Amino acid sequence: GNSVTQMEGPVTLSEEAFLTINCTYTATGYPSLFWYVQYPGEGLQLLLKATKADDKGSNKGFEATYRKETTSFHLEKGSVQVSDSAVYFCALSGSGNTGKLIFGQGTTLQVKP
Amino acid sequence: NAGVTQTPKFQVLKTGQSMTLQCAQDMNHNSMYWYRQDPGMGLRLIYYSASEGTTDKGEVPNGYNVSRLNKREFSLRLESAAPSQTSVYFCASRSPSGRSGSEQFFGPGTRLTVL
Repeated sequence: GNSVTQMEGPVTLSEEAFLTINCTYTATGYPSLFWYVQYPGEGLQLLLKATKADDKGSNKGFEATYRKETTSFHLEKGSVQVSDSAVYFCALSGSGNTGKLIFGQGTTLQVKP
Repeated sequence: NAGVTQTPKFQVLKTGQSMTLQCAQDMNHNSMYWYRQDPGMGLRLIYYSASEGTTDKGEVPNGYNVSRLNKREFSLRLESAAPSQTSVYFCASRSPSGRSGSEQFFGPGTRLTVL
């Protein structure tokens, strides 16, 4: 079945450091891939998405490229801020039209001033 | 435009008690979902509803029932709560698929503790 694996956290960085959170997936067909962010005490918000191979999603300085050859969708940001501290979830939606999301376990990011 | 709303925000139950978690969306979406979030496990789908009047089981449906009352509302019921159902519950609705794909919008969550 479909699955998503994320790097384990927590990840602790200093402000302005480079961020990478690894995400790999297993899926049949052509899934859509997503990164969601959860700030403390809140629900999840869509950060970025990619719907086909080689697509790059980007938002708020974050980027991720849909790599079908390596089944990966790694999240990157060139210079993190304290306000980026949150839990980040990688997710996929299968080829069918149900829209069901399969989530990774989440990675906690803490950015220190 | 409130998006997805959930009530209550917090709830404590005793084992065996029942309760209903309420969810409503004002975006005119057809599809709605219930997830639970547990530490180290991400979010797991409990039930979903592709449209008014239809519901289907997700990954972890045991111990839960749902009702899609109308297009706006999708409730989750615990008939006899168990400590294993202690979790944070999120409701979501999905925008229609298009060329740019669809997006799920999440409510703020309900934190449930079963003693």
